[in-house]
Amino acid sequence: QVQLQESGPGLVKPSETLSLTCTVSGYSISSGYYWGWIRQPPGKGLEWIGSIYHSGGTYSNPSLKSRVTISIDTSKNQFSLKLSSVTAADTAVYYCARDTPNTVIRPADVWGKGTTVTVSS
Amino acid sequence: EIVLTQSPATLSLSPGERATLSCRASQSVISYLAWYQQKPGQAPRLLIYDASKRATGIPARFSGSESGTDFTLTISSLEPEDFAVYYCQQRSNWPPEYTFGQGTKLEIK
Repeated sequence: QVQLQESGPGLVKPSETLSLTCTVSGYSISSGYYWGWIRQPPGKGLEWIGSIYHSGGTYSNPSLKSRVTISIDTSKNQFSLKLSSVTAADTAVYYCARDTPNTVIRPADVWGKGTTVTVSS
Repeated sequence: EIVLTQSPATLSLSPGERATLSCRASQSVISYLAWYQQKPGQAPRLLIYDASKRATGIPARFSGSESGTDFTLTISSLEPEDFAVYYCQQRSNWPPEYTFGQGTKLEIK
């Protein structure tokens, strides 16, 4: 059974870099899927941040692209998100998810439980 | 950028009733349209993909349909556990960037 678990600091200061890691269990991160990050500000809707393939290929939301870095560590079965120059508007629950297969377009089908990140001094 | 507009914002119904939720795309999404259910404090759960295909383990009372750029999620007979927020999501062909609608809250009347 595929499971994903987000981890990282729950509090980040304004202008600093938010860093999160997603650990995947029950499935090899190298097995033909993209892996993604999605966030949800308090009381608001969902926003896709970006996704990565095991080869390192990435694509991200154009509105966040300049601040987003997504990386992958296949040896640890993990992928990570860095979001730079954060402001209070980046306060949200951050989810990692198994995104589309590389052979056919599909929506994210397995999600982590989410981790809350607050941007505050 | 494709914009998804969901309606209504809130839908108040009773268990056993039929629910119809709408999602309108600002332009063609080539049927890469999905529906998610989200309950408070939980991650979204995939219900429907490719506009009308049920995801693994999703009950048959959930169905999706499309007509041009208009998409509909129908719950044939509401169960108590169906009251939640529902999001539609579209993604482009390649790169498969995606956006969500603003959500419809299905509440108990």
